Amino acid sequence: DIQMTQSPSSLSASVGDRVTITCRASQGIRKDLDWYQQKSGKNPERLIYGASSLQSGVPSRFSGSGSGTEFTLTISSLQPEDFATYYCLQHNSYPLTFGQGTKVEIK
Amino acid sequence: QVQLVQSGVEVKKPGASVKVSCKASGYTFGSYGITWVRHAPGQGLEWMGWISAYNGVANYAQKFQGRLTMTTDTSTSTAYMELRSLRSDDTAVYYCARSGAKVAKGFDHWGQGTLLTVSS
Repeated sequence: DIQMTQSPSSLSASVGDRVTITCRASQGIRKDLDWYQQKSGKNPERLIYGASSLQSGVPSRFSGSGSGTEFTLTISSLQPEDFATYYCLQHNSYPLTFGQGTKVEIK
Repeated sequence: QVQLVQSGVEVKKPGASVKVSCKASGYTFGSYGITWVRHAPGQGLEWMGWISAYNGVANYAQKFQGRLTMTTDTSTSTAYMELRSLRSDDTAVYYCARSGAKVAKGFDHWGQGTLLTVSS
């Protein structure tokens, strides 16, 4: 199975901060990686697909980069509605695997 | 608009089975697949498996092999997930999500989730 190591597991940040979350795959997955946001008690929503493509309707402050084994989700200017848990997902091979999640909290 | 509407809250005893439904609307059901993901309390998201509504091919995570079955009914645009021999650690919110038709890919639309509680 491909292991997805996500870091950090949690972070505290202020509104307006630039936030970066990283996912590392245990083997190369090309660009077969998505990023999801899950707010407490809500279903997850996709932010980024194919490592760097912005899902329709998602604010442009979210961006993704990377390929192979190293991937990054960046929030350029954190907004109050962005406090949530973020997950990466690899869909290169079965079983699909998520990172452990990064909880973004208010500083 | 694309919608996935799941069945309601379930409470089961250990050893029982549960069958959760996911009714799709707003798109051509047979042109996509459905993935099931669960979220246990205090845990991260876990991929359970995927089924193609295009050709019925399914792929399950190894840990569920033997007690998980996914099916689709194209006449009603509904997907089903049946989990048997329930244990307390199966307590979780179960989500369906739209995925690829021929292989599992990322998920662009999600159901609202179904809470399953397994307790004696």
